Amino acid sequence: QKEVEQNSGPLSVPEGAIASLNCTYSDRVSQSFFWYRQYSGKSPELIMSIYSNGDKEDGRFTAQLNKASQYVSLLIRDSQPSDSATYLCAVNRVNRDDKIIFGKGTRLHILP
Amino acid sequence: DVKVTQSSRYLVKRTGEKVFLECVQDMDHENMFWYRQDPGLGLRLIYFSYDVKMKEKGDIPEGYSVSREKKERFSLILESASTNQTSMYLCASRAGQAHYGYTFGSGTRLTVV
Repeated sequence: QKEVEQNSGPLSVPEGAIASLNCTYSDRVSQSFFWYRQYSGKSPELIMSIYSNGDKEDGRFTAQLNKASQYVSLLIRDSQPSDSATYLCAVNRVNRDDKIIFGKGTRLHILP
Repeated sequence: DVKVTQSSRYLVKRTGEKVFLECVQDMDHENMFWYRQDPGLGLRLIYFSYDVKMKEKGDIPEGYSVSREKKERFSLILESASTNQTSMYLCASRAGQAHYGYTFGSGTRLTVV
């Protein structure tokens, strides 16, 4: 089982709709969770971090964490063409080797 | 904002050359990392460092070495470049607190011919 799993996509969402990106992780001791956005040819950019069960909102972005189900999600409301990118889920194994483990990413395409 | 600067955006090197990739961060971060990113393989950790003169192997250290003589600078060295090291190389840094995410540099796209 891969440590951090994401659907590779592409996920196509109409402009203005809600984009929902999902991620599961295998290590129960993980404590910090991150979402990175990566445009083609560019480096990853941290857009959200979450540490506690529940929702965390920042502008049009909402991160959701369910530690019991080992599941993290990112919702993007009012999707814009500029949101078209690859979204990487990342998990920090704080009580083990303290490294961040990345998923392979989900490609999101917002349809104008 | 933390700035992580990688010295070159694009590099073309010949097989067998020794290649140096430089990374500098300006926020006094303890932790620095080198990744490579390839289509379908995602981000793979090459080496990391938790402090000056300290280094730890990541998942794919073969063919690479690193140097961290100063806290702000972390260099990746390809001892003898090979075509299978053609990739996007990404440097990242993080403050000592484990719950912080990484800040990435802009990346170096290396082509070995």
